[in-house]
Amino acid sequence: QSALTQPASVSGSPGQSITISCSGTSSDVANYNLVSWYQQHPGKVPKLMIYEGSKRPSGVSNRFSGSKSGNTASLTISGLQAEDEADYYCCSYAGSSTSVVFGGGTKLTVL
Amino acid sequence: QVQLVQSGAEVKEPGASVKVSCKVLGYTFTGYYVHWVRQAPGQGLEWMGWMNPNSGGTNYAQKFQGWVTMTRDTSISTAYMELSRLRSDDTAVYYCARQDGSGPSFDYWGQGTLVTVPS
Repeated sequence: QSALTQPASVSGSPGQSITISCSGTSSDVANYNLVSWYQQHPGKVPKLMIYEGSKRPSGVSNRFSGSKSGNTASLTISGLQAEDEADYYCCSYAGSSTSVVFGGGTKLTVL
Repeated sequence: QVQLVQSGAEVKEPGASVKVSCKVLGYTFTGYYVHWVRQAPGQGLEWMGWMNPNSGGTNYAQKFQGWVTMTRDTSISTAYMELSRLRSDDTAVYYCARQDGSGPSFDYWGQGTLVTVPS
């Protein structure tokens, strides 16, 4: 199965907002509201930031929000902070046979 | 508290097999699916498959079918992932992760196990 498509990199200044897109198909993102987002700092384990498209786990800052339009999911980070600099991965359910697919990842740089 | 504790790093020859374990602590092992995800050096996350610890049922990514086996031992709350016919491009960190709720919501992850296959 093909990976979801994310921009390789995005950047923003402290205090700004950025959005990371995650483009899929009618077989995954468009057909299910089951997109999750993960933050991964270098050498660390991925951390769940958003699940089921727009829900935040307990303990995740409300500066992180998720949305979807058609076959594209998005992660928005508002009020950028230096600690947000990391790699971000989207992930979607893709049906019973394919099951799960990840995006290629986006490196966020806080300028 | 919830923890997934994986076995230590491995170095394997090409063509060999590796079996990585994932012991869960702090929750009922049979209540949550366990997924396996790998990450090659400098690369992104790649989903390998899931296992239902209650039934032993599995679902593998197409790429890994015939090549990976996911099992469990409920008596010791441990999941296993075995990858056979290793090649150098299987060098990666292998993670187990717990699925919470619907879809790919992996709320707890193991610390990762580095498997190195020299070329």
